[in-house]
Amino acid sequence: DAGVIQSPRHEVTEMGQEVTLRCKPISGHDYLFWYRQTMMRGLELLIYFNNNVPIDDSGMPEDRFSAKMPNASFSTLKIQPSEPRDSAVYFCASKSTDTQYFGPGTRLTVL
Amino acid sequence: QKEVEQDPGPLSVPEGAIVSLNCTYSNSAFQYFMWYRQYSRKGPELLMYTYSSGNKEDGRFTAQVDKSSKYISLFIRDSQPSDSATYLCAMPFNNDMRFGAGTRLTVKP
Repeated sequence: DAGVIQSPRHEVTEMGQEVTLRCKPISGHDYLFWYRQTMMRGLELLIYFNNNVPIDDSGMPEDRFSAKMPNASFSTLKIQPSEPRDSAVYFCASKSTDTQYFGPGTRLTVL
Repeated sequence: QKEVEQDPGPLSVPEGAIVSLNCTYSNSAFQYFMWYRQYSRKGPELLMYTYSSGNKEDGRFTAQVDKSSKYISLFIRDSQPSDSATYLCAMPFNNDMRFGAGTRLTVKP
């Protein structure tokens, strides 16, 4: 299995632009998580899905953030409009039991 | 108070040293305890997974859990430069995970 796949690996954009991050979970995993990691705040859970349904989005910082999971093999995290404070590494993870498997992350820089 | 507390370090040791990494937690409902390792510019990967109090050994790594004190440790024997990474403790709970802040470790040759 290729593991969790994320794209793009790096994204540089200007403030106010829309950013879309993509994730393909491991086949057969029924949970998908989106995290944000910064030096200051560490790893923060933004939202997670079970069987494509959002279960807990209490970690989503603002209405500028939205996430979708249209099917079991694809999820997106969208930021619109982006701001410099959104600069971070965004990870997607999936699981079927207790162990979460992380993707390589998307490093987002908002200028 | 955070549910999981972990000293972020950084921690720097010479090659061959024994390393001790620790976390405390406040939620007595945590049943499983994990250690993830994260290399620079990579995603976290599961290193060790324990359930009960006591020790679990895997090569140079030993995970220790003391539920009575709500304290977990990861020991690395004969540390190597390749062990340089950030180590995060994690506890599964309610279908998601509670992570520590991560301790950044550097092993110098």
